[in-house]
Amino acid sequence: DTGVSQDPRHKITKRGQNVTFRCDPISEHNRLYWYRQTLGQGPEFLTYFQNEAQLEKSRLLSDRFSAERPKGSFSTLEIQRTEQGDSAMYLCASSLQAAGTQETQYFGPGTRLLVL
Amino acid sequence: AQTVTQSQPEMSVQEAETVTLSCTYDTSESDYYLFWYKQPPSRQMILVIRQEAYKQQNATENRFSVNFQKAAKSFSLKISDSQLGDAAMYFCAYRDAGNMLTFGGGTRLMVKP
Repeated sequence: DTGVSQDPRHKITKRGQNVTFRCDPISEHNRLYWYRQTLGQGPEFLTYFQNEAQLEKSRLLSDRFSAERPKGSFSTLEIQRTEQGDSAMYLCASSLQAAGTQETQYFGPGTRLLVL
Repeated sequence: AQTVTQSQPEMSVQEAETVTLSCTYDTSESDYYLFWYKQPPSRQMILVIRQEAYKQQNATENRFSVNFQKAAKSFSLKISDSQLGDAAMYFCAYRDAGNMLTFGGGTRLMVKP
């Protein structure tokens, strides 16, 4: 069990550019979550997947944001036409949802985005 | 919408002493889960302890225990025998059937040697 991994760990981009982040969940975890955390604040929910289906999206997820989990394994989060307000830590978490188990979300190290 | 409030932005404790971090939440649900997560500086968030709302018994994990008061919607974390490695941001989080976690604003815990 290697834990949740995220790539890249850091990203600096210029305003207006597109960026894409990747998350690899713990193997056999069927749920995958994306959160955003700004400096000094708690994480805020963005979206989540059960297998390949995107089941819920926050109002925070504007139409510049898109997330995919095409084969029910890794996920990507793309931000188009980045704005300075997008600067934050983007956290991925995964969990196993199954009958008789306690569902707990395990977090990755995050991708820190800075938009100049 | 559910909200989670951590009223202590910073707390300080002497090594080997006990400290309690506060958390209150607002919900109209009866079935939900509560969590404390720890986020060390520049490191990833890890689960400290969880509590199911239907359980009356307070959860305990080694030096970490909670005081869950369902009627008061309060969920505090007690850390006994504090160690230098306990220094971190601590986040209280709530989850109901909606699956997503709602986090409080965090409490920064400093441990003095």
